Amino acid sequence: EIVMTQSPATLSVSPGERATLSCRASQSVSNNLAWFQQKPGQAPRLLIYGASTRATGIPARFSGSGSGTEFTLTISSLQSEDFAVYYCQQYNNWPSFGQGTRLEIK
Amino acid sequence: EVQLVESGGGLVQPGRSLRLSCAASGFTFDEYAMHWVRQRPGKGLEWVSGITWNSGIMGYADSVKGRFTISRDNAKNSLYLQMNSLGPEDTAFYYCARDISPSAFYYFDYWGQGTLVTVSS
Repeated sequence: EIVMTQSPATLSVSPGERATLSCRASQSVSNNLAWFQQKPGQAPRLLIYGASTRATGIPARFSGSGSGTEFTLTISSLQSEDFAVYYCQQYNNWPSFGQGTRLEIK
Repeated sequence: EVQLVESGGGLVQPGRSLRLSCAASGFTFDEYAMHWVRQRPGKGLEWVSGITWNSGIMGYADSVKGRFTISRDNAKNSLYLQMNSLGPEDTAFYYCARDISPSAFYYFDYWGQGTLVTVSS
């Protein structure tokens, strides 16, 4: 089983600032990495796949990078609607998720 | 419009069984692998099980292997999860999710709204 570890658990950032979220895999997953956003009471929404490709309709302020075991999701200028929980998911093997990073308003 | 609607959740006693269903519409169901993902209240996402378009590959998380069975009926555009020997640790929202691939397990582009399973005496 590939274990995904996200950091930090909670990130406090002011609107308009940049947020950087990290995800680490216990073994290489190549670029088989997706990011999801989840707001309270809602299902997750796909943001990024292939480590760096934005899904349909996702704003350009969201960007993903990394390969192998280290990945980053960057939100360049936080909007109010971006405060949510973010999950990474690897699909190099049976799917597995990180434990999530809660992005909160500072 | 792609829609995934889960049903079958509810309160069940420990040791009992429950069957979840997911009704799919708005896309050609038999062209996609499908999954169940769960989320314990206030916790993170956990992949539970997946099935390829023709049921040729079925996968399970270690936490449910031997107790849960995934299946699908392409003629009815439906996905199922038979859950046996339920324990309190299975209490969660269960989401149905569509894979982007028909024949392998990748990532999930559409999700249902979830159905809550509560295991308690």
